[in-house]
Amino acid sequence: SQQGEEDPQALSIQEGENATMNCSYKTSINNLQWYRQNSGRGLVHLILIRSNEREKHSGRLRVTLDTSKKSSSLLITASRAADTASYFCATGTDSWGKLQFGAGTQVVVTP
Amino acid sequence: NAGVTQTPKFQVLKTGQSMTLQCAQDMNHNSMYWYRQDPGMGLRLIYYSASEGTTDKGEVPNGYNVSRLNKREFSLRLESAAPSQTSVYFCASSWTSGGLQETQYFGPGTRLLVL
Repeated sequence: SQQGEEDPQALSIQEGENATMNCSYKTSINNLQWYRQNSGRGLVHLILIRSNEREKHSGRLRVTLDTSKKSSSLLITASRAADTASYFCATGTDSWGKLQFGAGTQVVVTP
Repeated sequence: NAGVTQTPKFQVLKTGQSMTLQCAQDMNHNSMYWYRQDPGMGLRLIYYSASEGTTDKGEVPNGYNVSRLNKREFSLRLESAAPSQTSVYFCASSWTSGGLQETQYFGPGTRLLVL
């Protein structure tokens, strides 16, 4: 069973627009991580946010975490064609570092 | 630093054949993981190793075995491959200490097709 579920499943936007995707999870977490995967490639780590943090930024990326609602969001501002990829949230719930991944959001950014 | 490396990149097996997927990391991480990714899905944990000499089952361990050869290397073995094991396999590593987990870094993946 999947701990995290991303919404929407797919997102199509134009360059320059913002893209927002959400992740909901079921049980208490230690941390939540967002990853990007280009077609047929490995996963690239974007941001790790711990359960006692509410917001983190990295370049054009902004992640929020609301533990009361068991949800997180990833905002990509001023999107570029190179942002076209699948984005996954993954939750860490134990001290061994195991992650549970959602099914991902496919983002397509058209020029 | 190479980060996390995996071999081979691609492999085709016949049902019943065996093979070992190799993974190595050069980041001095204590924890290593094997995941599989099926089309349109997220990654699912097969096995993990919290430290050298220890391994434990993840969400989908059936049909697989692992070996944590040393701190750097963590291999995944399919003893008798089945078509249901057709997937992309990712190895990852991270530093975990005192319940605190850091970023997991992933290898490029191994595409496995079982006929």
